[in-house]
Amino acid sequence: QQQVKQSPQSLIVQKGGISIINCAYENTAFDYFPWYQQFPGKGPALLIAIRPDVSEKKEGRFTISFNKSAKQFSLHIMDSQPGDSATYFCAASIQGGSEKLVFGKGTKLTVNP
Amino acid sequence: EPEVTQTPSHQVTQMGQEVILRCVPISNHLYFYWYRQILGQKVEFLVSFYNNEISEKSEIFDDQFSVERPDGSNFTLKIRSTKLEDSAMYFCASSVDIGNQPQHFGDGTRLSIL
Repeated sequence: QQQVKQSPQSLIVQKGGISIINCAYENTAFDYFPWYQQFPGKGPALLIAIRPDVSEKKEGRFTISFNKSAKQFSLHIMDSQPGDSATYFCAASIQGGSEKLVFGKGTKLTVNP
Repeated sequence: EPEVTQTPSHQVTQMGQEVILRCVPISNHLYFYWYRQILGQKVEFLVSFYNNEISEKSEIFDDQFSVERPDGSNFTLKIRSTKLEDSAMYFCASSVDIGNQPQHFGDGTRLSIL
């Protein structure tokens, strides 16, 4: 019940295209959903995060869509660029506890020029 | 921009030896975490630490592991007697407060057990 399931495992997109990564969770106590971007040899870097009281959050080319009833959330990268090529992790945590992050398995995104 | 600093970047150790991984969290942060990532797998929570005590630990964080904040700036993870399966990237993270504040990660220490 603590799992976060992420798909696809890998994704190849052409420059200018839309990249979509999906995550699903079981634990309805989760109330914070961040996305992290990780480049090789680097630590995860926070990209964007959402709380379940909103259905969508947009920051530049990055948008999180959140469906509370379906217990799913997704990351959309508009106008994908080669520099976006990285591994993306969704995560979830529960406010008020230790706030440990439960991560998905990651999606390796490749954006071809 | 302030960042979390981890040393060393790579540690090679013989099985059974003790290792200490070091982290300097962002200076005004109060919550500290260790995560690990086995090659090609997801990032897994190990332990959270606040006010000089462990808030929560995972089942991975057994008696071989310990954490300490020996002074006002460092946060360390000690593995007392390393095993082959401890080989992984270890990430330190910190956040300014609870309430789902962003956790900022360091670039990790790659631990290789021979």
